[in-house]
Amino acid sequence: AQKITQTQPGMFVQEKEAVTLDCTYDTSDQSYGLFWYKQPSSGEMIFLIYQGSYDEQNATEGRYSLNFQKARKSANLVISASQLGDSAMYFCAMREGEYGNKLVFGAGTILRVKS
Amino acid sequence: DTGVSQDPRHKITKRGQNVTFRCDPISEHNRLYWYRQTLGQGPEFLTYFQNEAQLEKSRLLSDRFSAERPKGSFSTLEIQRTEQGDSAMYLCASSDLGRPYNEQFFGPGTRLTVL
Repeated sequence: AQKITQTQPGMFVQEKEAVTLDCTYDTSDQSYGLFWYKQPSSGEMIFLIYQGSYDEQNATEGRYSLNFQKARKSANLVISASQLGDSAMYFCAMREGEYGNKLVFGAGTILRVKS
Repeated sequence: DTGVSQDPRHKITKRGQNVTFRCDPISEHNRLYWYRQTLGQGPEFLTYFQNEAQLEKSRLLSDRFSAERPKGSFSTLEIQRTEQGDSAMYLCASSDLGRPYNEQFFGPGTRLTVL
């Protein structure tokens, strides 16, 4: 069965600094997709970035990048130049296959950006 | 571009009552998903539809839960004989297989409180 582990319940970062949120995953599938979502206090889940299991390059999307280490089964999110608006809950999620039907989420990491 | 909408946003009910939630996906999206999120946890998959067909249901979806997507557009999730353990945020998401990542777009959720 698929499993996502986020070991950091909460993180603090100083405004304008970079922060890394950890995610490890477990799957027996060769084809899978990894996602990061942001959930502000308003509750809506916002898609941030995607990494496919066969992608050789680490995904990047603006200030977000994904440090993908396939052999270690880790997919850490790096947020550069943190902003106060980055304060939120962050979830790592996995989907089986390229067109799989459901996401399996980790427990999340609360990020607080300090001014 | 209209996002996923859910109605109501909040529902308070007494134990034993039936409740129904509605989700309107992004119009061109053919897949629709329901998740449940309890406090401090990541969302858990409940069920998903491709067009009007319900293709998978989680074991979390007991007999008291039923979901429909009658014309392949909006969906409803009904909980019969609610229990206090049903208190959670119910999230709806939709996706378009034609998008590069097939990422899921989430609605704002319906927060259910069972007294």
